[in-house]
Amino acid sequence: DVKVTQSSRYLVKRTGEKVFLECVQDMDHENMFWYRQDPGLGLRLIYFSYDVKMKEKGDIPEGYSVSREKKERFSLILESASTNQTSMYLCASSLAGGKETQYFGPGTRLLVL
Amino acid sequence: GQSLEQPSEVTAVEGAIVQINCTYQTSGFYGLSWYQQHDGGAPTFLSYNALDGLEETGRFSSFLSRSDSYGYLLLQELQMKDSASYFCAFPPGSTLGRLYFGRGTQLTVWP
Repeated sequence: DVKVTQSSRYLVKRTGEKVFLECVQDMDHENMFWYRQDPGLGLRLIYFSYDVKMKEKGDIPEGYSVSREKKERFSLILESASTNQTSMYLCASSLAGGKETQYFGPGTRLLVL
Repeated sequence: GQSLEQPSEVTAVEGAIVQINCTYQTSGFYGLSWYQQHDGGAPTFLSYNALDGLEETGRFSSFLSRSDSYGYLLLQELQMKDSASYFCAFPPGSTLGRLYFGRGTQLTVWP
């Protein structure tokens, strides 16, 4: 069974803080993804990684960065949190390839005050 | 660019059949996926259509027509537990594994 875990279910941070969201998968998947989910907007891709130390921008990368130092771990970094980054953040992983199923973590609900 | 259109909300009663449509636009098309997400939960994979036609998995079926750039998810014998958001998605011409998701359809099943 694929398992994707995220470091926190709920997080409250202050404007200007640096925020780290961590994601770990245990199925040796090559691909990992960070999405943001807001009501009525669906899942929007922030960044993804198809290999260790490799990253690609998604549709909304502004204000975010990522790190993938190990295959199983993909971190999302908010360099200076802002209130408009209050959202649900979902991590996912999949095998390499263009049409593989993505497996999602439970999500981190971030509130920036 | 690419786009996916699906209705924002659908309601039905237990035991009924409901169809959630999805139309897409993209320069390179490799197939259409469907994901289910319950309130507070993670999205989970339901089905994938690479070729035209109907794919059946129990009470759920998914259909694709590449010539019409259209697909749908069909849910039969609806149960209360089917109340969830349903997302269609496709890989946008890339082999790197990313998916482009629609905005989701909130299905409410009434008793």
